[in-house]
Amino acid sequence: EAQVTQNPRYLITVTGKKLTVTCSQNMNHEYMSWYRQDPGLGLRQIYYSMNVEVTDKGDVPEGYKVSRKEKRNFPLILESPSPNQTSLYFCASWASGGTGELFFGEGSRLTVL
Amino acid sequence: AQKVTQAQTEISVVEKEDVTLDCVYETRDTTYYLFWYKQPPSGELVFLIRRNSFDEQNEISGRYSWNFQKSTSSFNFTITASQVVDSAVYFCALSDESYSSASKIIFGSGTRLSIRP
Repeated sequence: EAQVTQNPRYLITVTGKKLTVTCSQNMNHEYMSWYRQDPGLGLRQIYYSMNVEVTDKGDVPEGYKVSRKEKRNFPLILESPSPNQTSLYFCASWASGGTGELFFGEGSRLTVL
Repeated sequence: AQKVTQAQTEISVVEKEDVTLDCVYETRDTTYYLFWYKQPPSGELVFLIRRNSFDEQNEISGRYSWNFQKSTSSFNFTITASQVVDSAVYFCALSDESYSSASKIIFGSGTRLSIRP
């Protein structure tokens, strides 16, 4: 089954404690991206990746890091989380030259105290 | 700069009514793509449609229809004979011609649609 898998789905942490949200896709998609969803703001792009070792900033990259060492994985790293990073996070992947459909993970709800 | 505006924050209608969700976009590109996604209460994001800027034909899929008008930079979504299962947050999104090169895909703020039985 084609899917994008994110972990953890729910996480409560404290300010400054490094965390990583993993994202893995099994569709051999070249492109992957991270979004955060906040009330009234919709989905905002954090980082995206065009292929292995190729990443670029989205609209709200501050406080986040990413890496793309393997095609299937695109982890989101919060080196020193702060309360303003409390949000719902989505990972997405899509294919080059495809229909343009983004395949989203189920979301990861992060709370930073 | 690209921008997507969904002015309707929340809409509530009674089941079987028709409802239109508005989407207005801004872009300087001549080639671009527009999308609609649905987010039901369970939280996942579901792809509904993609249109490119050269195809202004309206599209109908069952009870769903989309009206794309370049003259007004709008890509509106109509649900005919709404059902309770249509209750969700709906997002309109815009990408430029290089979307397949992982260019930015800009989402609107979403419209929360509630269908009352």
